[in-house]
Amino acid sequence: NAGVMQNPRHLVRRRGQEARLRCSPMKGHSHVYWYRQLPEEGLKFMVYLQKENIIDESGMPKERFSAEFPKEGPSILRIQQVVRGDSAAYFCASSPGPDGGAAEPYSGNTIYFGEGSWLTVV
Amino acid sequence: GQNIDQPTEMTATEGAIVQINCTYQTSGFNGLFWYQQHAGEAPTFLSYNVLDGLEEKGRFSSFLSRSKGYSYLLLKELQMKDSASYLCAVSPADSWGKFQFGAGTQVVVTP
Repeated sequence: NAGVMQNPRHLVRRRGQEARLRCSPMKGHSHVYWYRQLPEEGLKFMVYLQKENIIDESGMPKERFSAEFPKEGPSILRIQQVVRGDSAAYFCASSPGPDGGAAEPYSGNTIYFGEGSWLTVV
Repeated sequence: GQNIDQPTEMTATEGAIVQINCTYQTSGFNGLFWYQQHAGEAPTFLSYNVLDGLEEKGRFSSFLSRSKGYSYLLLKELQMKDSASYLCAVSPADSWGKFQFGAGTQVVVTP
């Protein structure tokens, strides 16, 4: 049972370039969340998506950041014109959603994280 | 909004017990979660409390008091591999999956 898959695991970009981070949710999960973890800080919610819909993007910076979860394929977090302050670990998580779904080993109410994508802007 | 507080670091010896406290202030509540995160790795789910009381799962237990806005994670029979950051997270009532995380408690287990 594959977990949440993220790639790339590590990404280096120069200032001004674009970064694209991909996330495939756990099998049976239709809800995807993106979180950012800055060095020495806690995880911060960015965006919550279902297939083809953005449900809550209240944690997304207003500029340069966008996210999508198309009908086919992984969810993508896109950062345009990266700056040094974007250097962080970006974690994707998935869940079946509040209406249940695939059997869960612990609780249907939690979210399960991928291994993360570490972005370094030089 | 939510404010989640937990200690920055705790040190304990192998075989001992450590209790990590977490207090929260929230305008809505749909459950409290504990995650373990080793350096450079993903957070992994440990426990979930939505009702008051103690949930026990092997060496780890978690307690919740909603009236006090308080939870703790209890780690028993500490092992070296338990050295990690432990994250307290609250799920608000109004937005599924939009967890509010504390900054994490770094637990250092010494021989």
